[in-house]
Amino acid sequence: GENVEQHPSTLSVQEGDSAVIKCTYSDSASNYFPWYKQELGKRPQLIIDIRSNVGEKKDQRIAVTLNKTAKHFSLHITETQPEDSAVYFCAASTNNAGNMLTFGGGTRLMVKP
Amino acid sequence: SAVISQKPSRDICQRGTSLTIQCQVDSQVTMMFWYRQQPGQSLTLIATANQGSEATYESGFVIDKFPISRPNLTFSTLTVSNMSPEDSSIYLCSVEGDSGNTIYFGEGSWLTVV
Repeated sequence: GENVEQHPSTLSVQEGDSAVIKCTYSDSASNYFPWYKQELGKRPQLIIDIRSNVGEKKDQRIAVTLNKTAKHFSLHITETQPEDSAVYFCAASTNNAGNMLTFGGGTRLMVKP
Repeated sequence: SAVISQKPSRDICQRGTSLTIQCQVDSQVTMMFWYRQQPGQSLTLIATANQGSEATYESGFVIDKFPISRPNLTFSTLTVSNMSPEDSSIYLCSVEGDSGNTIYFGEGSWLTVV
């Protein structure tokens, strides 16, 4: 089955700096890669996703890149703000698997004011 | 995206008891899933709730421990049976969005077993 690894497990940045979180996956059939943000005491919220037919997607301060050959994808947050502090999870799935998500281990991002 | 409601939102349960979590969606959805998130951990898929048939369980999860019902396209339940402290977790119902692939989560049910 699919295995998703996520690095780093914790990340501390100064407000205004950029943050990058990286994930690798094992199943070359995976074709959908979402990112979730989970604030303390709340549910995971989808913040951005990318499908295998694109290499990059951007939404304001958030971007995701995908390298299918190397089987890795990354989340980039620019101009970080204290409200970006949360746990971020990457995930991967394939249509053939009925859209079940396999999650990475999570990254705790702390943005210091 | 669909509105997903879960009940209870939180509960403290006695060891050895069972608790049923309900998940209600405001529109018909084909795919419904149940995930578990243990304290400080990532999310792990328990099972896919299939309408009109038995749930499909992932490795490490069994029907006797986590019986699931899916009577229609808007509702599902997950029961956590014979609970032990190791079952203390957030249990999350999730559904597939209209665009396919996209998965949205309910608010979660935060269970503490004492």
